[in-house]
Amino acid sequence: GQQVMQIPQYQHVQEGEDFTTYCNSSTTLSNIQWYKQRPGGHPVFLIQLVKSGEVKKQKRLTFQFGEAKKNSSLHITATQTTDVGTYFCAGPRQAGTALIFGKGTTLSVSS
Amino acid sequence: DGGITQSPKYLFRKEGQNVTLSCEQNLNHDAMYWYRQDPGQGLRLIYYSQIVNDFQKGDIAEGYSVSREKKESFPLTVTSAQKNPTAFYLCASRGRGANTGELFFGEGSRLTVL
Repeated sequence: GQQVMQIPQYQHVQEGEDFTTYCNSSTTLSNIQWYKQRPGGHPVFLIQLVKSGEVKKQKRLTFQFGEAKKNSSLHITATQTTDVGTYFCAGPRQAGTALIFGKGTTLSVSS
Repeated sequence: DGGITQSPKYLFRKEGQNVTLSCEQNLNHDAMYWYRQDPGQGLRLIYYSQIVNDFQKGDIAEGYSVSREKKESFPLTVTSAQKNPTAFYLCASRGRGANTGELFFGEGSRLTVL
């Protein structure tokens, strides 16, 4: 069945280091979304990518959508303690309007 | 303020008891969703509804039931048939016709079965 995979599952960095999480889909996606969930919180939408090869930036966060629209990445430059949380990628399910989520990458940052 | 309200935030129940989790939204969204979150498992879809009086099973619907009698409300019942109900339950909604556009999540309900 349809799958969305993320690596790594966990990442610990020192404050100021960069961080990247990768997302791979078993199917071509019309769009991909990224969410952040702070510890004890709920997922919050970060961004949506639609076009093949698209790159979007939000301050220190850079999001990419692969040329084949089957993979994506999130890169954080110079991490801060406020970046702590779990980052999920999600794409449309093959039927209906729900999203299928990856298992997430949990980022911890030490100062 | 517009948003999604889930209640209760925490719930403890004994084995064999049915429990109902509430989800209400005032965003005027047509589509609503229930996801279950377990540590290291991401979000797994339980049920979703694209319009009032209609709902569809997701990937892990066994042991759960839902209703969608009003646009604003999408309650989830965790029945005694659900073998491992202890989890964090998240309700979400999305606007009309959306195969694009963000999901808005409630703050979640954490269910512990003793």
